[in-house]
Amino acid sequence: DQQVKQNSPSLSVQEGRISILNCDYTNSMFDYFLWYKKYPAEGPTFLISISSIKDKNEDGRFTVFLNKSAKHLSLHIVPSQPGDSAVYFCAASAVISSGSARQLTFGSGTQLTVLP
Amino acid sequence: GAGVSQSPSNKVTEKGKDVELRCDPISGHTALYWYRQSLGQGLEFLIYFQGNSAPDKSGLPSDRFSAERTGGSVSTLTIQRTQQEDSAVYLCASSPGTGNGYTFGSGTRLTVV
Repeated sequence: DQQVKQNSPSLSVQEGRISILNCDYTNSMFDYFLWYKKYPAEGPTFLISISSIKDKNEDGRFTVFLNKSAKHLSLHIVPSQPGDSAVYFCAASAVISSGSARQLTFGSGTQLTVLP
Repeated sequence: GAGVSQSPSNKVTEKGKDVELRCDPISGHTALYWYRQSLGQGLEFLIYFQGNSAPDKSGLPSDRFSAERTGGSVSTLTIQRTQQEDSAVYLCASSPGTGNGYTFGSGTRLTVV
C-alpha cells in the first residue's frame, strides 16, 4: 500500500515555463513533507519542505503547496531551466517520538525534462 | 568527509553470493538509514539506526538482508545468497537525529547476474 504517490512518472516542459509536480498521500498522520531532486548516479538532494501548519513555502524559483484536506501537495518551478531536469521525489514523515529522527516515506518519483 | 560516503559505487555479483555494502555517515549524525531504489520504483525503506536504540528493521524484505552499525558510525548492509530481484541502487542517508534533515550518499548500484 503506497502511502505517498506520484502518479506522473514523467513530465516535459519548455524552458522558461512553469513545471508542476504533484504528489498525493494517504496517511493523515504525516505532518511534514519534503521534495528531493535526484540526478543520475547521485543520491537525492533536499530541495524544499513544508510543515502541515502551512499551506505554502517558497524558496526562489521553487514553491511547495500543501492542501491538507485533499492530502495533496505540489511543487512549482518557475521559470523552469534545463538544469532542473532530474527525478523529483516527494517524501512525507510523521512524528515517531519527540526529539527523534524521522523516517521518510517516498513516492516513486517524477522525471522532469526541461526542453531548451 | 563532508558528505555521506558509500562503497563500492558499483557491484556486480553472481546469484547466490553474499555482498556487503558500506556506508560512512556524516560525522556526528546519530541517525542512519538504508533505502533501495529498484528500476522504475521509488525509494524503499529498509532499515533505520538511531543512536544506541535497537534498529528499526521493518523494511528489510527478507531474512537474507541484515545490517549493523558499529560504534554508532559506519554501517554495513549485508545481503546473503543474492537473487536477481536484489538488483537495485542501495542508498544510505544520515541525519543529525532531530528534525528532518537527511543527507544521502551517492548509492551503490548492485547488479546480480
